[in-house]
Amino acid sequence: AQKITQTQPGMFVQEKEAVTLDCTYDTSDPSYGLFWYKQPSSGEMIFLIYQGSYDQQNATEGRYSLNFQKARKSANLVISASQLGDSAMYFCAMREGGAAGNKLTFGGGTRVLVKP
Amino acid sequence: DARVTQTPRDKVTEMGQEVTMRCQPILGHNTVFWYRQTMMQGLELLAYFRNRAPLDDSGMPKDRFSAEMPDATLATLKIQPSEPRDSAVYFCASGLGTGPVVSGYTFGSGTRLTVV
Repeated sequence: AQKITQTQPGMFVQEKEAVTLDCTYDTSDPSYGLFWYKQPSSGEMIFLIYQGSYDQQNATEGRYSLNFQKARKSANLVISASQLGDSAMYFCAMREGGAAGNKLTFGGGTRVLVKP
Repeated sequence: DARVTQTPRDKVTEMGQEVTMRCQPILGHNTVFWYRQTMMQGLELLAYFRNRAPLDDSGMPKDRFSAEMPDATLATLKIQPSEPRDSAVYFCASGLGTGPVVSGYTFGSGTRLTVV
């Protein structure tokens, strides 16, 4: 079974609009962390935002916010006021502790193209 | 800014040749990961180390791949002999693990390997 599922392979968004990228996860570990990374065409992996499983508040970092719905096992990324530079692949990832030993498992990614 | 340094940035080699990729983790980080990214498989964890000791290399083809950390400032991933199906981008990431948790992962720029 997929640990991390990103159901949107690609999407367009108009510049200055908000966009939501979906991510659902599957784990039985009570202690886990959820990450979002951006990968522009240059190829590097850029950390965007992190949400711990015990965090009470949804994480925010500038224009990025994470809509964490624990009971539904979803961790959607919201990018507000999209910019042309936001065009990239976006990956959701999960860290599980315990026996999984902190390795990050990635979803398949969502390609975002911001239109001027 | 502290960064993870990977060399070489690009590598083209002939099938059957040995390939060595190097990674310098962020100073003070005690956990190092090797990931491989392909279009078909996405991002796959190959191996990872905590305090230079290998914790999990189950994602790595054992017959041709080997990963080591000769010291805290250097991690290596070796493929011998290389095959065309090894063509991919190989990422190194480092993090600081305190107890059972790794708090944050920083990725290097990757090594793009092409085996012809």
